[in-house]
Parts: sequence; structure tokens; C-alpha cells
Amino acid sequence: EAGVAQSPRYKIIEKRQSVAFWCNPISGHATLYWYQQILGQGPKLLIQFQNNGVVDDSQLPKDRFSAERLKGVDSTLKIQPAKLEDSAVYLCASSHSGSGGAGTQYFGPGTRLLVL
Amino acid sequence: GENVEQHPSTLSVQEGDSAVIKCTYSDSASNYFPWYKQELGKGPQLIIDIRSNVGEKKDQRIAVTLNKTAKHFSLHITETQPEDSAVYFCAARAGSARQLTFGSGTQLTVLP
Repeated sequence: EAGVAQSPRYKIIEKRQSVAFWCNPISGHATLYWYQQILGQGPKLLIQFQNNGVVDDSQLPKDRFSAERLKGVDSTLKIQPAKLEDSAVYLCASSHSGSGGAGTQYFGPGTRLLVL
Repeated sequence: GENVEQHPSTLSVQEGDSAVIKCTYSDSASNYFPWYKQELGKGPQLIIDIRSNVGEKKDQRIAVTLNKTAKHFSLHITETQPEDSAVYFCAARAGSARQLTFGSGTQLTVLP
């Protein structure tokens, strides 16, 4: 079974630029998550999708971050404009659950973002 | 919201010794407690989890214990090996629709 795929693996941008990350979850997984992991900290949930609907985006900085999962499979996370404090690893995870995320979460390798 | 505290932040043990990592949580409604292992440059990988209706769970050299009254849970790794070296995260969730809250991580180093 293929795991969660993410691209790009690394990205370096200057502040105020925009950036987008892509995630392809495990086939058949209805729930998809985006996490932000700052160096030395645990992952923090940004947004959770159930199919193509948002379940929880309470910790997403909506003035600069946006995410979509239009067809209920792949997802993209965008930052515009980026700030220095956005430097982090952005992790995508998916779980097989029809009830909003009760299943085990499987993580992708992450995208490492450096904002200069 | 939920708050998860994890200790210690770093832990060094000799190969073959045991390692214990402890976490406390704040939300008494939490009922699911997974542990993840994260190797350098990789995403977290689930190694064991426990639900609140169980006090202890074992999987070969790894075990997790849960004390609901005290709101703490622990990861025990026995007969440690160099390949156990990684960052370990605990997490807690209150209900299937609630978010997973992670601890701050423990860097485990197993010295050969």
C-alpha cells in the first residue's frame, strides 16, 4: 500500500512570497489533515477535511493560509504572503474513517519550508 | 482545549537498557492516546496506541500504560537498540471528531 505523498520536499522562499504544498493521501482515506511542525515542537493541526468538506480549521491563520480538497482526494495548502515565522515542516496525514477522524493517522514525509 | 505535556525532552540510554517517556494531559474527556516515532527527515510513524478502556498495552519491546485518574500515560521501551534512536511524540484526543494534540517530543538516543 502506497503511503501519503507530499511535494515538494523542500522549499525556500523570501518573506511576502507565496508558496503551495501538495498532498496525495492513502487511497480510500476519507479524512485528510494538514499539520505545521515548528522545529523542536510537536505537530499542530492546521485543518482537517472529511472528503471535500472542512471539519476543523480553527487553528488555520485564515488571513494568509488556505487549503482545499476539491475532489475529496488530493489537497493543496497555500501560504500567501509568507512570514518568517512560517518556517516549519508542513505534514499531511490521512486516516480511513467515515466518522470524522477516528482512525489511525498516517503521515507523509513533510515539506520543509524556509522563509528568508 | 487539550494540553499535553511530555517529559523528558531528551533521554540517553545504553543499548539494552530500558527507556521511559511520560506524558500528562488536561482534558478528562480524552480517550485515545497514540505514540509516534519520528526519524530525521521523515514524518511521524505510529508505533502503539491505547484507548481509555484499557490500562496497558504491549507490542513486543514496546508498552504503553494509562492512568486515567492521574491523567498521565507512559511509553516503555525495553532492550533498546540503536535503531530506536529518534524523536518520540505522545498525543491525546477527546472523541473521534476532536483534533489530536501532540506533546513536545522526546529525543531518544541509544548509545551502542
